[in-house]
Amino acid sequence: GQQVQQSPASLVLQEGENAELQCNFSTSLNSMQWFYQRPGGSLVSLFYNPSGTKQSGRLTSTTVIKERRSSLHISSSQTTDSGTYLCAMAHDTNAYKVIFGKGTHLHVLP
Amino acid sequence: EAAVTQSPRNKVAVTGGKVTLSCNQTNNHNNMYWYRQDTGHGLRLIHYSYGAGSTEKGDIPDGYKASRPSQENFSLILELATPSQTSVYFCASGEGPGNTLYFGEGSRLIVV
Repeated sequence: GQQVQQSPASLVLQEGENAELQCNFSTSLNSMQWFYQRPGGSLVSLFYNPSGTKQSGRLTSTTVIKERRSSLHISSSQTTDSGTYLCAMAHDTNAYKVIFGKGTHLHVLP
Repeated sequence: EAAVTQSPRNKVAVTGGKVTLSCNQTNNHNNMYWYRQDTGHGLRLIHYSYGAGSTEKGDIPDGYKASRPSQENFSLILELATPSQTSVYFCASGEGPGNTLYFGEGSRLIVV
């Protein structure tokens, strides 16, 4: 079935370092989204980025449809960035079904 | 204020009992979703809905029913709860196919 692979599974950074999170898809890419989840918390939408590059503050999302991948770049990380980052995409034959990767667990040390 | 609200937030149920998780959204979105989140599996889609009166099976529907009586409300029903259904359940709403999803705070269910 359709799969969404995220890497790395976990990442530890010193505050101030940059991070690059990857999301790869086994089928054609549709309606790519990135979410952030604080431990024990709900999911908050970071980007709806079906193609190209979008930036919000220190976060940049780049989606390359031909290569079936999307990345999330975090610059100058802060301890408050700690949590889980999840990517999701719509199913290639049924856009109502949104499928998630297992997430990247980020821990930023002070 | 929160646009997607779930209840209960925490629930302990006995094996074989009936559990109903409720979700209400004020976004006026057509689409609503129920996911469960487990360590090692991420978020998995249980049921979803296109609008009032519709329910569709997601990727892991066995053991779950769904009900969408109105635009605003979407329930997940466990008729005979089992310990394997211990999880955190998230409800979400979305405007259209593939559009941004808005999540509730989650409902933590423990089946003993």
